[in-house]
Amino acid sequence: QQPVQSPQAVILREGEDAVINCSSSKALYSVHWYRQKHGEAPVFLMILLKGGEQKGHDKISASFNEKKQQSSLYLTASQLSYSGTYFCGTEWVAGGTSYGKLTFGQGTILTVHP
Amino acid sequence: EAGVTQFPSHSVIEKGQTVTLRCDPISGHDNLYWYRRVMGKEIKFLLHFVKESKQDESGMPNNRFLAERTGGTYSTLKVQPAELEDSGVYFCASSQVPGELFFGEGSRLTVL
Repeated sequence: QQPVQSPQAVILREGEDAVINCSSSKALYSVHWYRQKHGEAPVFLMILLKGGEQKGHDKISASFNEKKQQSSLYLTASQLSYSGTYFCGTEWVAGGTSYGKLTFGQGTILTVHP
Repeated sequence: EAGVTQFPSHSVIEKGQTVTLRCDPISGHDNLYWYRRVMGKEIKFLLHFVKESKQDESGMPNNRFLAERTGGTYSTLKVQPAELEDSGVYFCASSQVPGELFFGEGSRLTVL
């Protein structure tokens, strides 16, 4: 079942903050976050595995709620280089489902202006 | 270290023709995945190889799609015969352990 990402698009000025949400109707094994710039490969940002987990690097961080049904990606003090499409990829691992079989959200287009 | 490479980057074919896409994973990565993004929609899982074996091919749309991974190295995805709805960007990804997937830049397929 496809996770729901919100918002679909967001426009920022440099230095502003943004939050992208990813919601699932059932508990997940993990959630992955990727960023893709136009015409390039999606690039891994981070993976969250534990309920209540928060992690991040530099000014990009993410959280995974206790029920493991929602994750949020936080971008603070945005830079021009943050522009791109952000995808969450969710994973269920049960009954022989393979690792790495991600179900992606529809993506959030982030545009950062000077 | 070379990343995941895909070839061709763009292919334009007529409906009914055959196209073969190739993916070279990162050396040493046993896990290889194919995903597809149809225009404007989400990225969808097609299948997963572990070495040369198909671990999960539940996302393959129909029997016009054939994926192979000879010797557990590179992989090919053949579409025969291609239909209009097959147009999209086909991504390959690889990983060594569960976790981060390393994606290629994708092969854009346009079926006219």
